[in-house]
Amino acid sequence: GESVGLHLPTLSVQEGDNSIINCAYSNSASDYFIWYKQESGKGPQFIIDIRSNMDKRQGQRVTVLLNKTVKHLSLQIAATQPGDSAVYFCAENMSSGNTGKLIFGQGTTLQVKP
Amino acid sequence: ETGVTQTPRHLVMGMTNKKSLKCEQHLGHNAMYWYKQSAKKPLELMFVYNFKEQTENNSVPSRFSPECPNSSHLFLHLHTLQPEDSALYLCASSPARDGAGIQYFGAGTRLSVL
Repeated sequence: GESVGLHLPTLSVQEGDNSIINCAYSNSASDYFIWYKQESGKGPQFIIDIRSNMDKRQGQRVTVLLNKTVKHLSLQIAATQPGDSAVYFCAENMSSGNTGKLIFGQGTTLQVKP
Repeated sequence: ETGVTQTPRHLVMGMTNKKSLKCEQHLGHNAMYWYKQSAKKPLELMFVYNFKEQTENNSVPSRFSPECPNSSHLFLHLHTLQPEDSALYLCASSPARDGAGIQYFGAGTRLSVL
């Protein structure tokens, strides 16, 4: 069945270091992927997305890498700051389907140590 | 502020009560969603509405009853809930009819069923 998983439930990094959050997906037909950030007491917020015809996309301090061969997605955060502390979710979508919908992973909690 | 507003933010109800959750989006989107977020579990899609029509009911118990009077408003009517229904209920909206693409989330309603 479909599943989206993150490798580690919790990631602890030092302020200023780079963070890498990983995600494995199982549906090879998925063609669109999104990373969300959820801070305490808030709903998930869009960070960055990538389509399957790309293998890398950069935003402000964030980079998403997609490896379709091994069905792996990662989110890299440069110079991690305390404000980056949150739960990060990856989500996949098969937009060519009848009712394309986002399937979310379980989430990785990023803890930034000062 | 994401443009998706949910009320109330917190709700405590007994198992015999009837209550409603409200969601309003100011983004001009055509699709709206209800999700359930429980601890240690991925977001669970409950319902999808496209242009006010329900297009997905993800095997949700009938004690949850959605209503979408127009493309900007979405309700979730609750009655005779169980303690295991305690969770964060998230509303989202997206511009795309088929659910593909970015979904924008509200802050959620934290529900406790006693």
